[in-house]
Amino acid sequence: GAGVSQSPSNKVTEKGKDVELRCDPISGHTALYWYRQSLGQGLEFLIYFQGNSAPDKSGLPSDRFSAERTGGSVSTLTIQRTQQEDSAVYLCASSSRAGTLYEQYFGPGTRLTVT
Amino acid sequence: GQQLNQSPQSMFIQEGEDVSMNCTSSSIFNTWLWYKQDPGEGPVLLIALYKAGELTSNGRLTAQFGITRKDSFLNISASIPSDVGIYFCAGQAVRYIFGTGTRLKVLA
Repeated sequence: GAGVSQSPSNKVTEKGKDVELRCDPISGHTALYWYRQSLGQGLEFLIYFQGNSAPDKSGLPSDRFSAERTGGSVSTLTIQRTQQEDSAVYLCASSSRAGTLYEQYFGPGTRLTVT
Repeated sequence: GQQLNQSPQSMFIQEGEDVSMNCTSSSIFNTWLWYKQDPGEGPVLLIALYKAGELTSNGRLTAQFGITRKDSFLNISASIPSDVGIYFCAGQAVRYIFGTGTRLKVLA
């Protein structure tokens, strides 16, 4: 597709279980971002991948959170031993560099509910 | 995490009125983006700004990149009910930093 896609769109899991969230960025985009958005709140930065550089993990809230980006394309965000406070919408975005221009596009998000 | 100061936090306006919101930062940015988010959706890019002083329009929307490179504003003219939503600014130095959002409600 033309846009950023995320799967699943909704995920309900029990406390203590691990979850994996997937992001397919726009083809050719070198940068990929993960954000978390709690109900009615702003966007909380989690992690940023740019090309082959080491990712910026400074936003990950705990060592239960990790992410990888395989082949410079698809990314997976993993949350281990989920807690109720992990419930939120997880948004992925990608951007491309054209000259000096950056435009960041978002996917529809994955709504995670931890029961 | 680091965020921009965005104001106002929320606004209720009458249909047909003009709207103005802004973002300020202590950091210099190279790019400013403005997004609109509808309930249950991801943010949608409205306007991108790349040069200090740049003024860009997209239909009824106008945004400006501040001369100091530390601020930006978004204006919406002649608001309509479908303008309701949350508007976010984002500034980019290395990665993007997002504003806290402005919740807009339009009263018909």
